[in-house]
Amino acid sequence: EAGVTQSPTHLIKTRGQQATLRCSPISGHTSVYWYQQALGLGLQFLLWYDEGEERNRGNFPPRFSGRQFPNYSSELNVNALELEDSALYLCASSFYYVDLNYGYTFGSGTRLTVV
Amino acid sequence: QQQVKQSPQSLIVQKGGISIINCAYENTAFDYFPWYQQFPGKGPALLIAIRPDVSEKKEGRFTISFNKSAKQFSLHIMDSQPGDSATYFCAASITSYDKVIFGPGTSLSVIP
Repeated sequence: EAGVTQSPTHLIKTRGQQATLRCSPISGHTSVYWYQQALGLGLQFLLWYDEGEERNRGNFPPRFSGRQFPNYSSELNVNALELEDSALYLCASSFYYVDLNYGYTFGSGTRLTVV
Repeated sequence: QQQVKQSPQSLIVQKGGISIINCAYENTAFDYFPWYQQFPGKGPALLIAIRPDVSEKKEGRFTISFNKSAKQFSLHIMDSQPGDSATYFCAASITSYDKVIFGPGTSLSVIP
């Protein structure tokens, strides 16, 4: 079974540009979550999509946005990039419910560097 | 109130020793507490999870201890091995279908 795939693996952008990150969930998973992992700050929740709808949003500015497509894949868009947006962006997928045996399945992330 | 606190930030344990990572939370509405393990260059992976109606859960060398009244929970890794060297995140969510809030992580190094 294929895992969660994220593309690109690495992305270098200039301050002020836009970045688009993509995520393909595990087959059968309807929920996709985006997290930002900045150095020393752990995983910060960004966005949650399920069945094409945005279910929840973390404490990030509106220039962080995304969407989920009918095949449940998702993309994260970051507009007007700032230097502090440099981080590892992790996508996770799950069934709508998580439980003791089935949690999130994470991809390996997209390393975004803003210069 | 949504925060999950975790300590220590880093931990060095000798092979065969016990690794202990502690976490605390404020929101009593949390009812799902997973632990994730992350190796360098990989995304986190679910290690073990517990609900607050259970005080302890053991899976192999990994044990979660849960103290509901103190709003604290901990991960114990018995007979720690070099292959256990990774970053460990405790986490919590309000329901089975809400976002998971992660602690800041503990970098564990198990030395021979």
